[in-house]
Amino acid sequence: AQSVTQLDSQVPVFEEAPVELRCNYSSSVSVYLFWYVQYPNQGLQLLLKYLSGSTLVKGINGFEAEFNKSQTSFHLRKPSVHISDTAEYFCAVTSSGNTPLVFGKGTRLSVIA
Amino acid sequence: EADIYQTPRYLVIGTGKKITLECSQTMGHDKMYWYQQDPGMELHLIHYSYGVNSTEKGDLSSESTVSRIRTEHFPLTLESARPSHTSQYLCASSGSSLNTEAFFGQGTRLTVV
Repeated sequence: AQSVTQLDSQVPVFEEAPVELRCNYSSSVSVYLFWYVQYPNQGLQLLLKYLSGSTLVKGINGFEAEFNKSQTSFHLRKPSVHISDTAEYFCAVTSSGNTPLVFGKGTRLSVIA
Repeated sequence: EADIYQTPRYLVIGTGKKITLECSQTMGHDKMYWYQQDPGMELHLIHYSYGVNSTEKGDLSSESTVSRIRTEHFPLTLESARPSHTSQYLCASSGSSLNTEAFFGQGTRLTVV
């Protein structure tokens, strides 16, 4: 079965600083990877996804992620964070076929003014 | 824009009561899911459905039950609520194409007293 590890449960960062949220997944023949964001008292919103093609994926709100097959990683990055980026971030994976998304435990990003 | 709705948003109910959490989507998606989210953020898949009259249990054992009589509707029922059922419940749906992202509702925060 697929699994996802988000290496940091909490990441505090100062406003306008860069941030990287780490995600590793268990290996499979092919995987499809997603990052979601959850604001307080809300559902999850898709930030970006990797299905195939270019390993650098750009998403909404200035976020991007890089798929690294050799390291089985899909880290999320933003060059300059804003207070409004404070939220929980979830990495998710599914392998080809009809399998539900498997989520990591989440990373709480706190942006400090 | 995703159109998936959960009601109620918040529910406080006494032990032993029967409750149904509603989830509806207007996107014509075949696949629907219920996740339970811990206070510490982690999401656990408790039920999913890939079409009408098809339901499966997820990775986390749950005393809840689901039904899928119509494509757009995927309610979750607890026959006798207990304090251990206190949690946030997130409903999601996805299209029939392989590996499309899941769209989430706003969630129902359930408190059993």
